[in-house]
Amino acid sequence: EIVLTQSPATLSLSPGERATLSCRASQSIGRYLAWYQQKPGQAPRLLIYDASNRATGIPARFSGSGSGTDFTLTVSSLEPEDFALYYCQQRTNWPTFGQGTRLEIK
Amino acid sequence: EVQLVESGGDLVQPGGSLRLSCAASGFRVSGNYMSWVRQAPGKGLEWVSLLYSDETTSYAPSVKGRFTISRDNSENTLYLQLNSLRVEDTAVYYCARMLGGDYFDSWGQGTLVTVSS
Repeated sequence: EIVLTQSPATLSLSPGERATLSCRASQSIGRYLAWYQQKPGQAPRLLIYDASNRATGIPARFSGSGSGTDFTLTVSSLEPEDFALYYCQQRTNWPTFGQGTRLEIK
Repeated sequence: EVQLVESGGDLVQPGGSLRLSCAASGFRVSGNYMSWVRQAPGKGLEWVSLLYSDETTSYAPSVKGRFTISRDNSENTLYLQLNSLRVEDTAVYYCARMLGGDYFDSWGQGTLVTVSS
């Protein structure tokens, strides 16, 4: 099983700041990584797939990068609605998710 | 518009069974890869099962042999049969359409399964 480790567990920032979230895979997964956003009481929403492709309707302030074992989700300038939980996910063998990063308002 | 609506969640005793449904609209379930993903209370996401468009199935090790995924093409509905339920199966169960069989691009609102005596 491929294990995804996200860091930090919690990130405290203010609106307008830049957020950088990390996801590390236990073995190389190429560029087969996605990022999701989840707000309380809601289903997750796909943000980024194949490491750097934005899903339909996702604002340009969200970007993804990385390959192999190290990946990054960047939010260039935080909006109030961006404070939420974020998960990474890979699909080699079977899908697995990271444990999540909570992005909270400072 | 793509929409997924789950139903069937309930309180059930350990060892019991339940069938979850996911009614789809805006696309054909039969032409897509479809999955169930669950989330235990206050915990992260866990993939449960995948149904390929050719009806091949795949399961997480934690549910293999106990859960069965299927679909009804005429009803455009995805199902998950849950047998031999355990306390640790307690979770919100989401159905999701898969983008290229790799990622989950559309999700339902979820249905809560509680396993408790």
